[in-house]
Amino acid sequence: AQSVSQHNHHVILSEAASLELGCNYSYGGTVNLFWYVQYPGQHLQLLLKYFSGDPLVKGIKGFEAEFIKSKFSFNLRKPSVQWSDTAEYFCAVSGNFNKFYFGSGTKLNVKP
Amino acid sequence: NAGVMQNPRHLVRRRGQEARLRCSPMKGHSHVYWYRQLPEEGLKFMVYLQKENIIDESGMPKERFSAEFPKEGPSILRIQQVVRGDSAAYFCASSHAGGAETQYFGPGTRLLVL
Repeated sequence: AQSVSQHNHHVILSEAASLELGCNYSYGGTVNLFWYVQYPGQHLQLLLKYFSGDPLVKGIKGFEAEFIKSKFSFNLRKPSVQWSDTAEYFCAVSGNFNKFYFGSGTKLNVKP
Repeated sequence: NAGVMQNPRHLVRRRGQEARLRCSPMKGHSHVYWYRQLPEEGLKFMVYLQKENIIDESGMPKERFSAEFPKEGPSILRIQQVVRGDSAAYFCASSHAGGAETQYFGPGTRLLVL
């Protein structure tokens, strides 16, 4: 069965700290991978996506993610977080069938 | 920049009433998806529609829930005889095409059933 696991439910960091949020998936076949962010009171916004090609994907606001096929992982990283990165982050996977499977989300709290 | 629009943003219903949630996709998008987010959980797929067609409703509860996307007007997610367990955030997304296209999300409708 298809599933997405985000093991870190709540992360607290100080500004300038480095960030890595884990995402592992279980999916048969070709996968497309996404990270979405939901800032407080706002809707989900696309941070970055991977369809094919270079497994290191760069997104908006300095975020990047690496697709490691052998580990079924698509971890999100940022070298230096800011207070404005406080939000909830969702990893999602889709195949060729339109529906997205989402992880349960990671709430990031960046302390100024 | 008209993104995906949803209304109402907040909806309060008493048990047994009907809830109607509306979604207008981004301009030029003809594919609509509905997701439900329960407290402390991720989004769960409910249904995928194109104009006048339900493509995949594998995530829809078997009873009380229905969805449509008419030729004209927004997509509607309808919940009849709501129960407390229906309280959740309901998100709509749209895409330009099907397949592996990026989905763009609306702000969600937060349904509270008293």
